[in-house]
Amino acid sequence: QITLKESGPSLIKPTQTLTLTCSFSGFSLPSREMGVSWIRQPPGKALEWLALISGSDNKRYSPSVKNRVSINKDTWRDQVVLTLTDVDPVDAGTYFCAHIGGLREPPSLWGQGVLVTVSS
Amino acid sequence: QSVLSQPPSASATPGQRITISCSGSSSNIEINSVSWYQQVPGTAPKLLIYNNSRRPSGVSDRFSGSKSGPSASLAISGLRSDDETDYYCAAWDDTLSALVFGTGTRVTVL
Repeated sequence: QITLKESGPSLIKPTQTLTLTCSFSGFSLPSREMGVSWIRQPPGKALEWLALISGSDNKRYSPSVKNRVSINKDTWRDQVVLTLTDVDPVDAGTYFCAHIGGLREPPSLWGQGVLVTVSS
Repeated sequence: QSVLSQPPSASATPGQRITISCSGSSSNIEINSVSWYQQVPGTAPKLLIYNNSRRPSGVSDRFSGSKSGPSASLAISGLRSDDETDYYCAAWDDTLSALVFGTGTRVTVL
C-alpha cells in the first residue's frame, strides 16, 4: 500500500526558504519508473504542479518557479525534499506530494497536504 | 496560470448525466494523455481517470473520460449528492515540459 505524507513549516516569512519533506512508503525510488511530484494549491484556487523527480534522478520543474525551486531524493530514508527560495505571500497554500508511475504519468496517490502561510 | 480551461461550474439534478469539458492545445491534450481528479475541499485530490478514459481500481463506472483533438471531457452519469465537489483535468505539456492542470469545475447537484 502506497502512502505519502508531507511535513514542513506552517508559517514562514517572506524572502525565506521553504523546505518541505515528503515521506513515503509502499514503493522505492531506486525504481526507475517511479517518482514523486509536488503540487500546490493556493486557498480557493486551482492545483499547480511544481516539480517531479524520478527514481533515475530525472528532474522537471514548472517554468513558473524554475529559478527558485529544487527537488531532491533521499533514497535511504524514502523521502523527497522540495526547496523553494525567496518565498512571497503568493506562495502560500497547501502543498501536496504524490506518487507518479513515470516521468509523464499523472500523480496517482497523494499525501494529505501541508498548509503553508507566508507572512511577516 | 492554468493552461487548461474548464467551465467554473456545472450543475444537474440527481440521476442525470453531466459533462465537464477541458480545453487545451496542440502541445498538451492533443498529443498527451489526460487525467481527471475529484477534490473535496480541504482534502487531497483523488485520481478518477487516467490515459484519457481508464479508471483506477475502485473508481465507479459512473465516471468516464474521452478526448478529441485538443479537448477532453469527463462525464458523470447517475449523478449523486456526493458528486457535488471540484473536478480538475491535467495533461503533460510538451512545450512547457511540465504537467498542467485545468482551472477546475465545481459540480452542483440541484
